[in-house]
Amino acid sequence: AAGVIQSPRHLIKEKRETATLKCYPIPRHDTVYWYQQGPGQDPQFLISFYEKMQSDKGSIPDRFSAQQFSDYHSELNMSSLELGDSALYFCASSPVRQGGTEAFFGQGTRLTVV
Amino acid sequence: AQKVTQAQTEISVVEKEDVTLDCVYETRDTTYYLFWYKQPPSGELVFLIRRNSFDEQNEISGRYSWNFQKSTSSFNFTITASQVVDSAVYFCALNEGGSEKLVFGKGMKLTVNP
Repeated sequence: AAGVIQSPRHLIKEKRETATLKCYPIPRHDTVYWYQQGPGQDPQFLISFYEKMQSDKGSIPDRFSAQQFSDYHSELNMSSLELGDSALYFCASSPVRQGGTEAFFGQGTRLTVV
Repeated sequence: AQKVTQAQTEISVVEKEDVTLDCVYETRDTTYYLFWYKQPPSGELVFLIRRNSFDEQNEISGRYSWNFQKSTSSFNFTITASQVVDSAVYFCALNEGGSEKLVFGKGMKLTVNP
Protein backbone atom coordinates (compact mmCIF):
# COMPACT_ATOMS: atom_id res chain seq x y z
CA ALA A 1 0.00 0.00 0.00
CA ALA A 2 1.15 3.52 -0.74
CA GLY A 3 2.55 5.41 2.21
CA VAL A 4 3.44 9.00 2.95
CA ILE A 5 6.59 9.93 1.05
CA GLN A 6 8.99 12.49 2.40
CA SER A 7 12.01 13.88 0.65
CA PRO A 8 14.81 14.19 1.17
CA ARG A 9 15.38 11.60 3.86
CA HIS A 10 18.48 13.35 5.11
CA LEU A 11 19.57 16.95 4.74
CA ILE A 12 22.61 18.80 6.00
CA LYS A 13 22.57 22.59 5.96
CA GLU A 14 24.68 25.32 7.40
CA LYS A 15 23.46 27.96 9.81
CA ARG A 16 21.49 30.74 8.15
CA GLU A 17 20.78 28.62 5.07
CA THR A 18 17.35 27.69 3.78
CA ALA A 19 15.83 24.22 3.57
CA THR A 20 12.75 22.87 1.82
CA LEU A 21 11.17 19.61 2.91
CA LYS A 22 8.62 17.88 0.74
CA CYS A 23 5.75 15.59 1.63
CA TYR A 24 3.57 13.50 -0.66
CA PRO A 25 0.49 12.22 1.19
CA ILE A 26 -1.25 8.93 0.66
CA PRO A 27 -3.53 9.18 -2.40
CA ARG A 28 -6.98 10.59 -1.58
CA HIS A 29 -5.76 11.95 1.75
CA ASP A 30 -6.57 15.65 1.81
CA THR A 31 -5.16 16.56 5.22
CA VAL A 32 -1.45 16.95 5.86
CA TYR A 33 0.35 17.55 9.15
CA TRP A 34 3.93 18.53 9.97
CA TYR A 35 5.68 17.57 13.19
CA GLN A 36 9.16 18.29 14.52
CA GLN A 37 10.96 15.80 16.75
CA GLY A 38 14.16 16.98 18.42
CA PRO A 39 16.75 14.46 19.59
CA GLY A 40 15.30 12.32 22.37
CA GLN A 41 12.08 14.34 22.34
CA ASP A 42 8.46 13.69 21.49
CA PRO A 43 7.05 14.96 18.20
CA GLN A 44 5.72 18.50 18.35
CA PHE A 45 2.93 19.66 16.05
CA LEU A 46 3.90 22.45 13.69
CA ILE A 47 1.11 23.02 11.21
CA SER A 48 -1.63 21.29 9.23
CA PHE A 49 -3.45 21.78 5.95
CA TYR A 50 -6.84 20.68 4.72
CA GLU A 51 -7.80 21.07 1.09
CA LYS A 52 -4.82 23.36 0.51
CA MET A 53 -5.76 25.75 3.31
CA GLN A 54 -3.96 26.02 6.63
CA SER A 55 -6.23 24.39 9.16
CA ASP A 56 -4.32 24.42 12.43
CA LYS A 57 -1.08 25.87 13.70
CA GLY A 58 1.18 24.82 16.51
CA SER A 59 4.57 25.97 17.69
CA ILE A 60 5.96 26.78 14.27
CA PRO A 61 8.66 29.47 14.21
CA ASP A 62 8.06 32.53 12.06
CA ARG A 63 11.13 31.50 10.05
CA PHE A 64 9.20 28.48 8.84
CA SER A 65 6.39 28.49 6.32
CA ALA A 66 4.45 25.74 4.66
CA GLN A 67 1.85 25.22 2.01
CA GLN A 68 -0.19 22.51 0.38
CA PHE A 69 -0.38 22.43 -3.37
CA SER A 70 -3.17 21.53 -5.80
CA ASP A 71 -1.92 17.93 -5.99
CA TYR A 72 -2.07 17.82 -2.15
CA HIS A 73 1.65 17.53 -1.67
CA SER A 74 3.06 19.88 0.92
CA GLU A 75 6.32 21.70 1.43
CA LEU A 76 7.86 23.03 4.62
CA ASN A 77 10.22 25.94 4.01
CA MET A 78 12.72 26.77 6.70
CA SER A 79 14.85 29.91 6.48
CA SER A 80 17.70 31.35 8.55
CA LEU A 81 18.39 27.91 9.92
CA GLU A 82 19.66 27.61 13.46
CA LEU A 83 21.50 24.78 15.17
CA GLY A 84 18.37 24.13 17.22
CA ASP A 85 16.40 23.34 14.07
CA SER A 86 18.29 20.05 13.81
CA ALA A 87 15.55 17.46 14.19
CA LEU A 88 13.52 14.77 12.54
CA TYR A 89 10.65 16.33 10.61
CA PHE A 90 7.61 14.18 10.06
CA CYS A 91 4.80 14.65 7.65
CA ALA A 92 1.56 12.77 8.19
CA SER A 93 -1.65 12.53 6.22
CA SER A 94 -5.19 11.47 6.96
CA PRO A 95 -8.23 10.86 4.75
CA VAL A 96 -10.54 13.28 6.54
CA ARG A 97 -10.18 16.39 8.58
CA GLN A 98 -11.63 15.45 11.89
CA GLY A 99 -10.38 14.72 15.31
CA GLY A 100 -9.48 11.17 16.04
CA THR A 101 -8.64 10.22 12.53
CA GLU A 102 -5.63 7.99 12.33
CA ALA A 103 -2.67 9.92 10.93
CA PHE A 104 -0.24 8.00 8.78
CA PHE A 105 3.30 9.19 9.19
CA GLY A 106 6.09 9.28 6.66
CA GLN A 107 9.58 8.10 7.48
CA GLY A 108 10.71 11.60 8.26
CA THR A 109 13.41 13.94 7.03
CA ARG A 110 16.41 14.21 9.29
CA LEU A 111 17.71 17.76 9.14
CA THR A 112 21.13 18.52 10.53
CA VAL A 113 22.20 22.14 10.80
CA VAL A 114 25.94 22.65 11.18
CA ALA B 1 -4.93 22.18 28.44
CA GLN B 2 -4.16 18.79 27.01
CA LYS B 3 -1.27 16.79 28.34
CA VAL B 4 0.03 13.24 28.11
CA THR B 5 2.28 11.74 30.74
CA GLN B 6 4.30 8.58 30.31
CA ALA B 7 5.94 8.13 33.66
CA GLN B 8 8.19 5.29 32.53
CA THR B 9 11.09 6.45 30.41
CA GLU B 10 12.78 3.13 29.77
CA ILE B 11 11.98 -0.55 30.33
CA SER B 12 14.10 -3.58 29.62
CA VAL B 13 12.60 -7.07 29.49
CA VAL B 14 13.55 -10.51 28.33
CA GLU B 15 11.83 -12.05 25.35
CA LYS B 16 8.45 -13.66 26.07
CA GLU B 17 7.79 -11.45 29.07
CA ASP B 18 4.62 -9.38 29.12
CA VAL B 19 5.12 -5.63 29.40
CA THR B 20 2.65 -2.84 30.17
CA LEU B 21 3.24 0.74 29.11
CA ASP B 22 1.50 3.36 31.21
CA CYS B 23 -0.14 6.52 29.91
CA VAL B 24 -2.05 9.18 31.81
CA TYR B 25 -3.74 12.03 30.01
CA GLU B 26 -5.35 15.37 30.81
CA THR B 27 -8.05 17.07 28.82
CA ARG B 28 -11.07 19.25 29.42
CA ASP B 29 -12.88 17.94 26.37
CA THR B 30 -15.52 15.26 26.62
CA THR B 31 -14.72 14.10 23.10
CA TYR B 32 -11.16 13.00 22.59
CA TYR B 33 -9.10 10.23 21.09
CA LEU B 34 -6.15 8.32 22.40
CA PHE B 35 -3.45 6.65 20.38
CA TRP B 36 -0.37 4.53 20.75
CA TYR B 37 2.43 4.90 18.23
CA LYS B 38 5.64 2.91 17.94
CA GLN B 39 8.95 4.35 16.77
CA PRO B 40 11.50 1.63 16.00
CA PRO B 41 15.22 2.43 15.66
CA SER B 42 14.69 3.14 11.97
CA GLY B 43 12.79 6.26 13.01
CA GLU B 44 9.36 6.06 11.44
CA LEU B 45 6.21 6.46 13.53
CA VAL B 46 3.91 3.46 13.28
CA PHE B 47 0.28 3.63 14.33
CA LEU B 48 -0.73 0.87 16.75
CA ILE B 49 -4.11 1.53 18.30
CA ARG B 50 -6.76 4.22 18.76
CA ARG B 51 -9.58 4.65 21.22
CA ASN B 52 -12.27 7.32 21.49
CA SER B 53 -13.53 8.76 24.74
CA PHE B 54 -16.94 7.15 24.41
CA ASP B 55 -15.69 3.62 24.16
CA GLU B 56 -14.08 2.19 27.25
CA GLN B 57 -14.28 -1.35 26.05
CA ASN B 58 -10.89 -2.93 26.32
CA GLU B 59 -9.73 -5.14 23.52
CA ILE B 60 -7.07 -7.51 22.49
CA SER B 61 -5.51 -7.49 19.05
CA GLY B 62 -2.97 -10.20 18.58
CA ARG B 63 -0.22 -9.63 21.15
CA TYR B 64 -1.46 -6.12 21.89
CA SER B 65 -4.13 -5.17 24.38
CA TRP B 66 -5.13 -1.93 26.01
CA ASN B 67 -6.87 -0.80 29.15
CA PHE B 68 -8.73 2.50 28.88
CA GLN B 69 -10.11 3.86 32.14
CA LYS B 70 -11.72 7.30 32.07
CA SER B 71 -12.07 7.31 35.86
CA THR B 72 -8.29 7.42 36.21
CA SER B 73 -7.56 9.09 32.84
CA SER B 74 -5.34 6.21 31.90
CA PHE B 75 -4.76 4.42 28.62
CA ASN B 76 -2.31 1.60 29.26
CA PHE B 77 -0.94 -0.66 26.57
CA THR B 78 0.25 -4.22 27.04
CA ILE B 79 2.42 -6.34 24.82
CA THR B 80 2.09 -10.02 25.55
CA ALA B 81 4.96 -12.43 24.97
CA SER B 82 7.32 -9.66 23.89
CA GLN B 83 9.72 -10.18 21.02
CA VAL B 84 13.02 -8.56 20.12
CA VAL B 85 11.30 -6.77 17.22
CA ASP B 86 9.10 -4.97 19.76
CA SER B 87 12.15 -2.95 20.82
CA ALA B 88 11.24 0.65 20.10
CA VAL B 89 10.11 3.91 21.63
CA TYR B 90 6.40 3.89 22.32
CA PHE B 91 4.41 7.11 22.35
CA CYS B 92 0.99 7.66 23.79
CA ALA B 93 -0.86 10.55 22.12
CA LEU B 94 -4.04 12.53 22.65
CA ASN B 95 -6.24 14.31 20.16
CA GLU B 96 -9.04 16.55 21.36
CA GLY B 97 -12.10 16.32 19.17
CA GLY B 98 -12.05 19.92 17.98
CA SER B 99 -8.38 19.92 17.12
CA GLU B 100 -6.32 18.28 14.44
CA LYS B 101 -3.07 17.95 16.28
CA LEU B 102 -1.75 15.05 18.27
CA VAL B 103 -0.18 15.79 21.62
CA PHE B 104 2.42 13.17 22.41
CA GLY B 105 3.83 11.94 25.67
CA LYS B 106 7.59 11.92 26.14
CA GLY B 107 7.81 8.32 24.99
CA MET B 108 8.97 5.12 26.65
CA LYS B 109 11.90 3.16 25.32
CA LEU B 110 11.33 -0.57 25.40
CA THR B 111 14.23 -2.94 24.98
CA VAL B 112 13.46 -6.61 24.56
CA ASN B 113 16.51 -8.79 25.06
CA PRO B 114 16.82 -12.29 23.61
